[in-house]
Amino acid sequence: ETGVTQTPRHLVMGMTNKKSLKCEQHLGHNAMYWYKQSAKKPLELMFVYSLEERVENNSVPSRFSPECPNSSHLFLHLHTLQPEDSALYLCASSQDFTGELFFGEGSRLTVL
Amino acid sequence: TQLLEQSPQFLSIQEGENLTVYCNSSSVFSSLQWYRQEPGEGPVLLVTVVTGGEVKKLKRLTFQFGDARKDSSLHITAAQPGDTGLYLCAGAKSYIPTFGRGTSLIVHP
Repeated sequence: ETGVTQTPRHLVMGMTNKKSLKCEQHLGHNAMYWYKQSAKKPLELMFVYSLEERVENNSVPSRFSPECPNSSHLFLHLHTLQPEDSALYLCASSQDFTGELFFGEGSRLTVL
Repeated sequence: TQLLEQSPQFLSIQEGENLTVYCNSSSVFSSLQWYRQEPGEGPVLLVTVVTGGEVKKLKRLTFQFGDARKDSSLHITAAQPGDTGLYLCAGAKSYIPTFGRGTSLIVHP
């Protein structure tokens, strides 16, 4: 098992669809993150969870809804997205907020 | 205003050349990380620097943290095609890492 696994790797959805991105970490870490990566922009932090509690919500629109049922799993629920939400969504984990992040391979989202 | 500025933005070189990329900020960081990201993949952690003036080596890669802990550099000696990728620096001020835009490196055989 790789350290951080994201599914699906690719997702195409319409603006009225509802879908979810899944992230699972096998590293025993206690913090998990969602980042958005768009072309020519720095990685944008979306959400941070520590021990299943959300500790950071970086002014993300409500059409993105995170869920962390346990310390190994993180979801990002998507609904009524906009074309500008098309991007690579990266999940990461860390231990004790050391600053060292371990990323999954990302979910490439295209909103039509 | 971007917290972390990386330069150059793009770099295209021949195999065997040396190169240096920079990560600069006006802020002081408790630690700074360098990552490499290949197309279609997530970033992979290369190194963490913590102490001002610290130098770390990873095979042909040399990382330096500025004395004031505001900037860092990555030097690659004798670049190889396998070094191709996006090099990202990230600084941790509190507990949340902030990323630069990255330097996109292409090493031609």
